[in-house]
Amino acid sequence: DIQMTQSPSSLSASVGDRVTITCRASQAISTYLNWFQQKPGKAPNLLIYAASTLQSGVPSRFSGSGSGTDFTLTISSLQPEDFATYYCQHIYSTPLTFGGGTRVEIK
Amino acid sequence: QVQLVQSGAEVKKPGASVKVSCKASGYTFTSYAMHWVRQAPGQRLEWMGWINGGDINTKYSQKFQGRVTITKDTSASTAYMELSSLRSEDTAVYYCVSGANFDYWGQGTLVTVSS
Repeated sequence: DIQMTQSPSSLSASVGDRVTITCRASQAISTYLNWFQQKPGKAPNLLIYAASTLQSGVPSRFSGSGSGTDFTLTISSLQPEDFATYYCQHIYSTPLTFGGGTRVEIK
Repeated sequence: QVQLVQSGAEVKKPGASVKVSCKASGYTFTSYAMHWVRQAPGQRLEWMGWINGGDINTKYSQKFQGRVTITKDTSASTAYMELSSLRSEDTAVYYCVSGANFDYWGQGTLVTVSS
C-alpha cells in the first residue's frame, strides 16, 4: 500500500498569511493526487485534482504543485473561511489512501 | 445539481451487519464509479472500495475484504455498502463518493457499534 504523510499535522496562522502544506507519498504516484478541505461535521470538499488542477468554483488563492512523491498545497492569503482540516489522497492504485490531515487553526 | 443522499444513522451491536444506501441524482449514474470512504472519530479518511459505473465490477481494500460488499441498483440510481461482523472500531461516518475526481460526496451516515 502507498502511504501518504502530511506535514505539519496542525498549524496556527493569521488571516492574510501564506500557508503551505506538504504531502509525501511512499512511492512515486506521478500526479495522481487530490487535495480536500473538510470542516467539522461536513463531508470533504475537493479543492485540487491531478496535483495542480483547481476544481471548478474553488477560489484561486488555492494552488497545488508537485509530482512523483512530493506535493504541496498553498493558500496564498488565508481567509476566515479557510480554517479547516486539509487532506491529500493518492488515486494511483488501490487502496486509495489519504494523508493524516493538516488542521489549520486561527492564530 | 448533483446530489448523493445517504440513508440515516444506524446503531448496531457487535457482530451485526449494516447496509447504507446512497441515492444519486443530477448526473448519469453509470458515468462514474461509486466509492465508499469512512472516517472514525478523530481519524483520517479511509477508502473502503468502489463499484464501477458501467458494470458491476468491484474492488475492495484488503483491510475490509470479506466483510464489505458494495452493490448498486442502476434503475434506482442507488448504491449500497454492507459491512458485516461489526466491531466497535467500525464506529464511523461512512460516505459515498462519486464523480470524475471524487467531486461528489454524500452527507455521511453515522454508524455506531455498541453493545
